[in-house]
Amino acid sequence: EDQVTQSPEALRLQEGESSSLNCSYTVSGLRGLFWYRQDPGKGPEFLFTLYSAGEEKEKERLKATLTKKESFLHITAPKPEDSATYLCAVQAGSSASKIIFGSGTRLSIRP
Amino acid sequence: GAVVSQHPSWVICKSGTSVKIECRSLDFQATTMFWYRQFPKQSLMLMATSNEGSKATYEQGVEKDKFLINHASLTLSTLTVTSAHPEDSSFYICSAGTGYHANTEAFFGQGTRLTVV
Repeated sequence: EDQVTQSPEALRLQEGESSSLNCSYTVSGLRGLFWYRQDPGKGPEFLFTLYSAGEEKEKERLKATLTKKESFLHITAPKPEDSATYLCAVQAGSSASKIIFGSGTRLSIRP
Repeated sequence: GAVVSQHPSWVICKSGTSVKIECRSLDFQATTMFWYRQFPKQSLMLMATSNEGSKATYEQGVEKDKFLINHASLTLSTLTVTSAHPEDSSFYICSAGTGYHANTEAFFGQGTRLTVV
C-alpha cells in the first residue's frame, strides 16, 4: 500500500535555529514528490516538486532534497513567518491523478 | 504561480440543505481539478478527480450521490454537498492541475470551511 509519513508531527524552533523536516514514502513508481506550506484556515501553497533521487531545489530559506525513500525539507535560519504546517505529497503509480498526502509537520518558530 | 480561486471561503448551512462550492482557475486552463477534504489537524484526503466534460472519478468510500462534482469548463469545477449533515462539516479544498500529468504542478484554492448546523 502506498504510504507517506512525515516526521516530526510538530517542531518548535528558536528563530535562526536551522533544522530539517522528513517525508518518508513507500509508493510504486514515484512520478513526483511535492512540498506545500499551509497556513491555518487556508489552502496549501505550492513550494517544490522533485522528480528523481538526487534532485534538490531551493527557495529562500527552504531547500528540498530527494532520495529513493525519503525527502527532506531543510530550513535555514528560520524566521517567525516561516511558522506553518508543511505538507509532503507524492504522485505515484500508473494513474497521473493519484496523489497521497502526508499528515504534515506543524512548524513553530519562536522570536 | 497559477491562481486558483475557491468560493465561498466559509459557509454555514442547516442540516438537510445543499451547498455548492466553486473552484476556478483564473489564469490557466485546468484539464483536471481535484477535490479534497481536511479535518482539523489532519492531512488532505482526496475525494474525487474531475476532468472537464466527463464524469468525476471518486475515491473509495466517497459517496458520489452526496458529493456531486461538475466540471463544466476548463476553468470551473463545482462541488455540491447534497442533504448536508453535521458530519459533513469540514474544510474542503480544490486544486487544479496543469499539463498532461495532472497535479504535477497543482495549485490549491483557499479552501471552504463548511459548517452544518
